[in-house]
Amino acid sequence: AAGVIQSPRHLIKEKRETATLKCYPIPRHDTVYWYQQGPGQDPQFLISFYEKMQSDKGSIPDRFSAQQFSDYHSELNMSSLELGDSALYFCASSLATGAQYFGPGTRLTVL
Amino acid sequence: AQKVTQAQTEISVVEKEDVTLDCVYETRDTTYYLFWYKQPPSGELVFLIRRNSFDEQNEISGRYSWNFQKSTSSFNFTITASQVVDSAVYFCAPLNAGNMLTFGGGTRLMVKP
Repeated sequence: AAGVIQSPRHLIKEKRETATLKCYPIPRHDTVYWYQQGPGQDPQFLISFYEKMQSDKGSIPDRFSAQQFSDYHSELNMSSLELGDSALYFCASSLATGAQYFGPGTRLTVL
Repeated sequence: AQKVTQAQTEISVVEKEDVTLDCVYETRDTTYYLFWYKQPPSGELVFLIRRNSFDEQNEISGRYSWNFQKSTSSFNFTITASQVVDSAVYFCAPLNAGNMLTFGGGTRLMVKP
């Protein structure tokens, strides 16, 4: 069965640079989520989209933005990167309140 | 908002032992959803089970079983005959407003050969 696809899997950036993470949800899933997991921490909800409309926001910094496109893929844009942004970024997709299936994550390292 | 407590931060067992991971939840809602996820050392988050508040039936899937008890607000997870490959962090997580999962610390399970 198709799973959530994330790219790139690893990303290394310098401070103050920008990064774009991509997510391709499971086909026919109507909701996409982004989570951030810092080293040794729990995953924290950032933002979600339902049918391409932003549906909820968590602890997402103003430097971050996200959108979902007509083909349902989503992108998380991160600007003015800081050392503290180094983390594992997960995308997940679901059908309404069903199980959220997570992608393999993008490991972002900010130097 | 729902929240969970996983009091066991770390558990170490020897292979073939049975192990139970505790999850106690708090909620004022009559309808709620609880999930278990597994995060092995490789880092991915793997969905294990979803339970809604109307379904108190216990679930068994191979060596995994879940005991959902509304009377004690618990949703415990048991691994029977543990294996080294079960070593992972296990998260119990409620679904909160906006369908966001709220992870609560997790339990790190180490299964030694």
